[in-house]
Formats: sequence, structure tokens, C-alpha cells
Amino acid sequence: DARVTQTPRHKVTEMGQEVTMRCQPILGHNTVFWYRQTMMQGLELLAYFRNRAPLDDSGMPKDRFSAEMPDATLATLKIQPSEPRDSAVYFCASGLLSSGNTIYFGEGSWLTVV
Amino acid sequence: DQQVKQNSPSLSVQEGRISILNCDYTNSMFDYFLWYKKYPAEGPTFLISISSIKDKNEDGRFTVFLNKSAKHLSLHIVPSQPGDSAVYFCAASDLPGGKLIFGQGTELSVKP
Repeated sequence: DARVTQTPRHKVTEMGQEVTMRCQPILGHNTVFWYRQTMMQGLELLAYFRNRAPLDDSGMPKDRFSAEMPDATLATLKIQPSEPRDSAVYFCASGLLSSGNTIYFGEGSWLTVV
Repeated sequence: DQQVKQNSPSLSVQEGRISILNCDYTNSMFDYFLWYKKYPAEGPTFLISISSIKDKNEDGRFTVFLNKSAKHLSLHIVPSQPGDSAVYFCAASDLPGGKLIFGQGTELSVKP
């Protein structure tokens, strides 16, 4: 059963600490997205990659957020230093360019910064 | 600047009746539109899509209508069932395989 796997599922951290979220896309998918869900903005695109290369990270606060794909089976989203306003659910999604626009989401990483 | 808007945060419908969820967009370059459903504590799951060359796509109880001149799409669920209670997101893209821009979501509650 192919699915996107995200870790950790839940994270509570103190303000100023570094947070790293990891994502394993569906095997064979060449496009990976990071979204953040907030009450006000809905699902907000932070960054996305194709064939491990970043295509767009304009939605990401550059001073504290960074996204990478060290290899085809791992995407990471790092926040350093974390702030209370970063508290949200972070979703990773993956898709295959040749299959159109449908993307498949992981279950999300629930982040609380206190 | 919200390019995809769902102006109704919530909708309540009686079981068996029709649910209509609406979505507006501002970018005339969008050519691909999708609806996702999300249950609490889960990731969004794909429901149905439509490309700009069509004005209607149907899949079982779910139909998506696209009005390009009005930059408006809607999702119809007939008949509505309690299991349809979830948050529904519409999304749009201007390229095949391009980034999806999502709306804020509409929470649907189907009452028995």
C-alpha cells in the first residue's frame, strides 16, 4: 500500500529550538511538496521539488525555514529557530509529473512551539 | 493574496440531500482543478478533478462543475451521507504536474 510517510507525527518544542520534519514520498514519485495548514490560510504551499531540485520555495520564510531532498526517498523541512507562530500541521505530498496534477498527502506533522 | 477562495467556512446539510461546495479563483492561467477531502487528524485525500477543456466531470455521487468565464467551480454531492462530513479543499494549478494552490477549505457536516 503506497503512501507518503511523515515523521514525527507530533512534536512539542520550546521556542528557539530547531525542528526537523521528514518525509518519505511514494516510491517512484518525482515531485514533492511541503504544505502548512493553518486556520486562516488553509493549505499554504511552502516549497516543492521535482527530481530533487527545488522549483519554488517562495512560500517559505527564508530566514528560519529550509527544505532539502538529500535523496529521492527523503525530503526534510527544518525550522531554526522555531517560534510560537510556526505552530501548525505540516503536510508532505508527492506526485508523478506524468500522472497529471493529483498529489498524495502524508498524515502530517503536528508541531506545537511553546 | 488568495488566488483560490472558498468563502463558506462551513456547510450543514441533511442526509440524502444535495451538498454544494463552492470555490472561486482569480488566476486566469489556472487550467487544472481538484477537490480534496480531509478528515480530522488525517492528510487530505484526492476526490475528483477537472481540466479547463471540460465544464463537468462526474464520479459516482460527486460532480464537479467548472465555469471558466466566472472563474468558479463547485462540487456537488448527491445524495449526501454522514460519512461525507469532512473538510473539503479545492485546488488549482496552471501547469500539468505543477504546484497546487489550495483554498481555505469548507467544513461539511451531513446530519442524519
